[in-house]
Amino acid sequence: GENVEQHPSTLSVQEGDSAVIKCTYSDSASNYFPWYKQELGKRPQLIIDIRSNVGEKKDQRIAVTLNKTAKHFSLHITETQPEDSAVYFCAASTGASGTYKYIFGTGTRLKVLA
Amino acid sequence: DTGVSQDPRHKITKRGQNVTFRCDPISEHNRLYWYRQTLGQGPEFLTYFQNEAQLEKSRLLSDRFSAERPKGSFSTLEIQRTEQGDSAMYLCASSQSGISIHADTQYFGPGTRLTVL
Repeated sequence: GENVEQHPSTLSVQEGDSAVIKCTYSDSASNYFPWYKQELGKRPQLIIDIRSNVGEKKDQRIAVTLNKTAKHFSLHITETQPEDSAVYFCAASTGASGTYKYIFGTGTRLKVLA
Repeated sequence: DTGVSQDPRHKITKRGQNVTFRCDPISEHNRLYWYRQTLGQGPEFLTYFQNEAQLEKSRLLSDRFSAERPKGSFSTLEIQRTEQGDSAMYLCASSQSGISIHADTQYFGPGTRLTVL
């Protein structure tokens, strides 16, 4: 069935270093890949997304890359800051070719050490 | 606040009782989704509506769960005869359909945390 795997489950980095979180999806019809940041007790907040017609997207310190052949996409955060500490979720959706629901990964708890 | 809102934010109930949650989407959004999130896990899809039509339900959604969106605006999620395993955060999200083949961007509410004793 549909599945999104996410690694690592926890990640600790020093302030200023980069962080990379990786996801793999199973449904080859997936064409939309959002990333959400969730702080403790708060709602998931969209931080960046990518559609299947592009391979990379960047927004300031955050970038996402997509490899459709490998069914793999990654989140890159550069120059990490303590306020980046949170749980990050990747998700995949097939849109009009299937369903608009999101399949989420299991999350990565990022800790940025000052 | 023009974001997605949910009520109540917290609900404690005894096993066997019925509970109902409400979600108010972003006003111009025609799609509304319900997800369930347990501790340490990503949100799991439960069901979604386009306008007032319920278009998909997860196998996770047992017959004790029912959702409605009667006028295509707010939605309610009811759980009958609650069980301890129903304890979770229930998240609502909304999106606006576009002409793209790609899925819409979903915006989440703050969730309703249910505790079943």
